[in-house]
Amino acid sequence: KQEVTQIPAALSVPEGENLVLNCSFTDSAIYNLQWFRQDPGKGLTSLLLIQSSQREQTSGRLNASLDKSSGRSTLYIAASQPGDSATYLCAVRLTGGGNKLTFGTGTQLKVEL
Amino acid sequence: NAGVTQTPKFQVLKTGQSMTLQCAQDMNHNSMYWYRQDPGMGLRLIYYSASEGTTDKGEVPNGYNVSRLNKREFSLRLESAAPSQTSVYFCASSGWNRGGGYTFGSGTRLTVV
Repeated sequence: KQEVTQIPAALSVPEGENLVLNCSFTDSAIYNLQWFRQDPGKGLTSLLLIQSSQREQTSGRLNASLDKSSGRSTLYIAASQPGDSATYLCAVRLTGGGNKLTFGTGTQLKVEL
Repeated sequence: NAGVTQTPKFQVLKTGQSMTLQCAQDMNHNSMYWYRQDPGMGLRLIYYSASEGTTDKGEVPNGYNVSRLNKREFSLRLESAAPSQTSVYFCASSGWNRGGGYTFGSGTRLTVV
């Protein structure tokens, strides 16, 4: 059974700092990995999608990397802003897994002024 | 805008009552999903439909039924609501036209008293 772990569970940083969120998974036979953002009381917004054949994806100040062999992905946020405060979730889709996603429990990020 | 639409956004039920959560997507996705999100438990898959005409159980199917009405619509039914079903419910869809990434609805906050 695929297990997805996110560390740390919570993180507080001052504005402007660069930061890294970690995601690890136990089964490396993945089809893709997706990072989401969730604001309090809201739904999930897709940030980045990395296919199994890719090493990284970038969107603006966000960069996500994937290392299948070690079962790890990182989300790098450059020059953090208070508006980045949210919970960040990673989710893994297995190859042949019926299209299902397995989610980590998230990292709650607070960026302070 | 294209996306996943869920109704209702909020609902309060009495124990034993029944209700149906509605979900529709307009992205021509083949697969649709129902998740529940609980504090400390993360997102857990209730049921999914890999394609029109098929449905399968996820991680926590007990107490729920689903119907894939057509390619666009996937409903979740609680036949006899219990307090343990108090949660936030998310519908999602995925398709090959977006690299297999998921798109989520904005959620239904359900309270069973």
